[in-house]
Amino acid sequence: EVQLVQSGAEVKKPGESLKISCKGSGYSFTSYWIGWVRQMPGKGLEWMGIIYPGDSDTRYSPSFQGQVTISADKSISTAYLQWSSLKASDTAMYYCSLNDYWGQGTLVTVSS
Amino acid sequence: DIVMTQTPLSSPVTLGQPASISCRSSQSLVHSDGNTYLSWLQQRPGQPPRLLIYKISNRFSGVPDRFSGSGAGTDFTLKISRVEAEDVGVYYCMQATQFPLTFGGGTKVEIK
Repeated sequence: EVQLVQSGAEVKKPGESLKISCKGSGYSFTSYWIGWVRQMPGKGLEWMGIIYPGDSDTRYSPSFQGQVTISADKSISTAYLQWSSLKASDTAMYYCSLNDYWGQGTLVTVSS
Repeated sequence: DIVMTQTPLSSPVTLGQPASISCRSSQSLVHSDGNTYLSWLQQRPGQPPRLLIYKISNRFSGVPDRFSGSGAGTDFTLKISRVEAEDVGVYYCMQATQFPLTFGGGTKVEIK
């Protein structure tokens, strides 16, 4: 059974760094692109970027380029989304996705 | 970027009656490999998105046959033949033909 299991909810202050994770199982982790999607409170889905764990080829939406970093560790079948300096406007639910399958979401709250 | 435009924004439907959602892309979604990577997702309240339909008209595993997709080029439609209570939620079209992937704004299906 294909599963994407994301790390738990986070509460951070503006300016702090954060790395959230998404562990894949039940499929060949290195053979499929895995993406990240943002959903701000009460809003729609926004595609942030995607990584191919097999060779770490990474593509970003222009809206998120330079704002976040997507990476993957194929030795532990885990993809990551990280911020170096969070803003209040980063408060959102973040999903990882294989397009066919989705993680349960990680709620990130940034507040002083 | 390819812009995905969904209509209507909201669709109040009587139980047992049909519902239809349209999605239009700003350019053709036909990929150079001949496939059209247009998907439909369902997001029930408080849940992550779930894939319903991929490549215009293919139902994903476990999706009831009351859901169907059609269309070509730049115009696509999701139909629910007889709406059930569990179909309440927001529906999104998504294109994966070209980076960055993009979503429609969403259509809320609710019961009258």
